[in-house]
Amino acid sequence: KNQVEQSPQSLIILEGKNCTLQCNYTVSPFSNLRWYKQDTGRGPVSLTIMTFSENTKSNGRYTATLDADTKQSSLHITASQLSDSASYICVVSRQGGATNKLIFGTGTLLAVQP
Amino acid sequence: EPEVTQTPSHQVTQMGQEVILRCVPISNHLYFYWYRQILGQKVEFLVSFYNNEISEKSEIFDDQFSVERPDGSNFTLKIRSTKLEDSAMYFCASSGGSSSYNEQFFGPGTRLTVL
Repeated sequence: KNQVEQSPQSLIILEGKNCTLQCNYTVSPFSNLRWYKQDTGRGPVSLTIMTFSENTKSNGRYTATLDADTKQSSLHITASQLSDSASYICVVSRQGGATNKLIFGTGTLLAVQP
Repeated sequence: EPEVTQTPSHQVTQMGQEVILRCVPISNHLYFYWYRQILGQKVEFLVSFYNNEISEKSEIFDDQFSVERPDGSNFTLKIRSTKLEDSAMYFCASSGGSSSYNEQFFGPGTRLTVL
């Protein structure tokens, strides 16, 4: 079954600290993996997108890694800010199919405290 | 910067009533999607739409759901006879192409509450 699992479910860190969020997937055939940030009550916003040949991709203080062999990804946030408080969702896209249907993980709820 | 917009932001309705959720995709996009997110759960794909017809739909998208692009700018999701379990956030998204590498841009969502 095509699934995306994330850990931890929630995380509380102090402002300025780093953190790493994990994602495991069983989606096949794999096309690409994205990390989205979703603020409460808002739509998801894309942070990074990686294909199977990419091991790492950065977007400012966000760095995503991908191990296509073990089907794992991580999102590292450096020097966290209060505005980083949000849900971070790992999303995988399958190859084939009529259109680009995205398979979402359950998300990690991050709270950054002053 | 162009963005996807959705109206209304919050819709409250009685069970059994029809609702229409509206979306204005990014103007030069050709592929449109609806997703839903039940409170506390993951975002789920409902349907994709291209060239005035449904490209793909999930098992959630049953006969009570329909989508339409009534004019050149709007993309709507209609729920014919709402049920309590239809209460969720509904997100519209659009992309410039159908490739899995094309980024989907999401709207802010419509919160549907069925009483």
